[in-house]
Amino acid sequence: DARVTQTPRHKVTEMGQEVTMRCQPILGHNTVFWYRQTMMQGLELLAYFRNRAPLDDSGMPKDRFSAEMPDATLATLKIQPSEPRDSAVYFCASGLDTLESPQSRNTIYFGEGSWLTVV
Amino acid sequence: DQQVKQNSPSLSVQEGRISILNCDYTNSMFDYFLWYKKYPAEGPTFLISISSIKDKNEDGRFTVFLNKSAKHLSLHIVPSQPGDSAVYFCAASGAGNNRKLIWGLGTSLAVNP
Repeated sequence: DARVTQTPRHKVTEMGQEVTMRCQPILGHNTVFWYRQTMMQGLELLAYFRNRAPLDDSGMPKDRFSAEMPDATLATLKIQPSEPRDSAVYFCASGLDTLESPQSRNTIYFGEGSWLTVV
Repeated sequence: DQQVKQNSPSLSVQEGRISILNCDYTNSMFDYFLWYKKYPAEGPTFLISISSIKDKNEDGRFTVFLNKSAKHLSLHIVPSQPGDSAVYFCAASGAGNNRKLIWGLGTSLAVNP
């Protein structure tokens, strides 16, 4: 059963600490997305990769957030230093974007999320 | 400025009846629309989609209708079941290289037994 795997599921940390969230996309998928869900903003896109290359990180606060894909099976989202306003659920999603099926690019599959609390 | 709007934060329906969830969009360049369902403590899951070349797509109890002139789409669930109780997100994407999905804020559906 293919699925997107995220770790940690829950994280409580103190303000100023570094937080790293990890994501294993579905095998064979070539797009990876990081989203943040808050009550007020809904699902905010933080970063988007295709074939491991960052395509769009305009939604990500650059001063403290960074996203990388060290290899095709791992995506990371790092917050340094963390702040209480970063408390949210962070979702990773993956999809398949090919020339043969351009519309399938839009169907993405989410992990269960990483619940972050910064105190 | 919300390009995809779900104006009803919540909806309550009796089991067996029809649930209609609405979504409006402002960008006429959107060419693909999706509905996702989200249970508490889980990630959103893909439910159904529709291309702008169609006005209806049906999958079992779920039907999505698209009215391009009104920039409006709706999700119909018939008959509604208690297990359908979840938050439903509408999302849209544009043509070309713009793969970014634009999301609504969601509608929380409660189906009462």
